[in-house]
Amino acid sequence: GENVEQHPSTLSVQEGDSAVIKCTYSDSASNYFPWYKQELGKGPQLIIDIRSNVGEKKDQRIAVTLNKTAKHFSLHITETQPEDSAVYFCAATSSNSGYALNFGKGTSLLVTP
Amino acid sequence: TAGITQAPTSQILAAGRSMTLRCTQDMRHNAMYWYRQDLGLGLRLIHYSNTAGTTGKGEVPDGYSVSRANTDDFPLTLASAVPSQTSVYFCASSDRGRSEQFFGPGTRLTVL
Repeated sequence: GENVEQHPSTLSVQEGDSAVIKCTYSDSASNYFPWYKQELGKGPQLIIDIRSNVGEKKDQRIAVTLNKTAKHFSLHITETQPEDSAVYFCAATSSNSGYALNFGKGTSLLVTP
Repeated sequence: TAGITQAPTSQILAAGRSMTLRCTQDMRHNAMYWYRQDLGLGLRLIHYSNTAGTTGKGEVPDGYSVSRANTDDFPLTLASAVPSQTSVYFCASSDRGRSEQFFGPGTRLTVL
């Protein structure tokens, strides 16, 4: 089955700096790669996603890049703010898994003022 | 709209007892999922249902069962709870197989 690795497990940046979280996946059939943000005591919420026919996608301060050849994708947050502090999860899915998400283990991001 | 609701919010359960975690969505999504979240392990899929009347096993299905009698409800049952089932359980739904999954607020379960 699909195996998603996520790094780093914790990340601390100063407000205004950029943050990058990286994920790799094993199943070459995976074709949908979402990123979720989870705040304390809440369920995960989708912040951005990318499909296998696209190499990069941006939404204001966040962007995701995908390298299908290398089987890795990354989340980039620019101009970080304290409210970006949360746990971020990457995921991958394909029809082989019934489109259920295979999650990375998460990155705890702390943005310090 | 309510989106996805889960009940109860939290529960302490004695080992050996049974329990059903409830999940209801009002978005008419055809697919629904149950995940458990444990510290350091992320979210792991327990069971899923691509449409009413069908279910499938995820990564960690042992000790759990599900049913999907209609589109809106997807209950998760623990027939005989064990301490290793202490976790936070999240229900999710999606409209199509590849689209965004919406998550509920979670149920925190402690098995003693």
